[in-house]
Amino acid sequence: AQTVTQSQPEMSVQEAETVTLSCTYDTSESDYYLFWYKQPPSRQMILVIRQEAYKQQNATENRFSVNFQKAAKSFSLKISDSQLGDAAMYFCAYRSAQGAQKLVFGQGTRLTINP
Amino acid sequence: GAGVSQSPSNKVTEKGKDVELRCDPISGHTALYWYRQRLGQGLEFLIYFQGNSAPDKSGLPSDRFSAERTGESVSTLTIQRTQQEDSAVYLCASSPLAGGLNIQYFGAGTRLSVL
Repeated sequence: AQTVTQSQPEMSVQEAETVTLSCTYDTSESDYYLFWYKQPPSRQMILVIRQEAYKQQNATENRFSVNFQKAAKSFSLKISDSQLGDAAMYFCAYRSAQGAQKLVFGQGTRLTINP
Repeated sequence: GAGVSQSPSNKVTEKGKDVELRCDPISGHTALYWYRQRLGQGLEFLIYFQGNSAPDKSGLPSDRFSAERTGESVSTLTIQRTQQEDSAVYLCASSPLAGGLNIQYFGAGTRLSVL
């Protein structure tokens, strides 16, 4: 079974600075998808960014980018120019390319933005 | 364009009672997922629907948990004889299609408290 590990329960960053959230995963599959979701206090999960494993190019979405290292099974999220609205729980998730349609989530990282 | 709607938002019940949690997915979304999030934890997969069928029920923790979906729309998650360990936020997500890079859109969840 696949597992996702987020080793940083909490992170903090000064407003306008850059922060990187770590995620590693364990799988024997070669084709899969990776996601970062944000969960604000409203509880609603919001997709931040997604990556296909067979694409070597790192995904970017405005201030959000990933560093995908397939061999190391690492999928970190970089947030540039941090804003107060970025404060939330961030979850890394894995989805197999075959069979199971579910997302497998990590334990989450709570990000605090200091003004 | 309404998002995923879940009701009730909060539910307090006594140990041993049955509860029903409702999910209204985004119109036209064929895939529907239920997840459980215990306090301070990541999301755990419970069940996945494709249309009205549930090809993956592997995450249901016991036979006290059941779910159905009708009209390829509304889904109900039922927990019988609730226990204190059932206390959690139950999140529903829907997706236009299952798998791949298809985004799962989440509702705000139902917070269940079992006294």
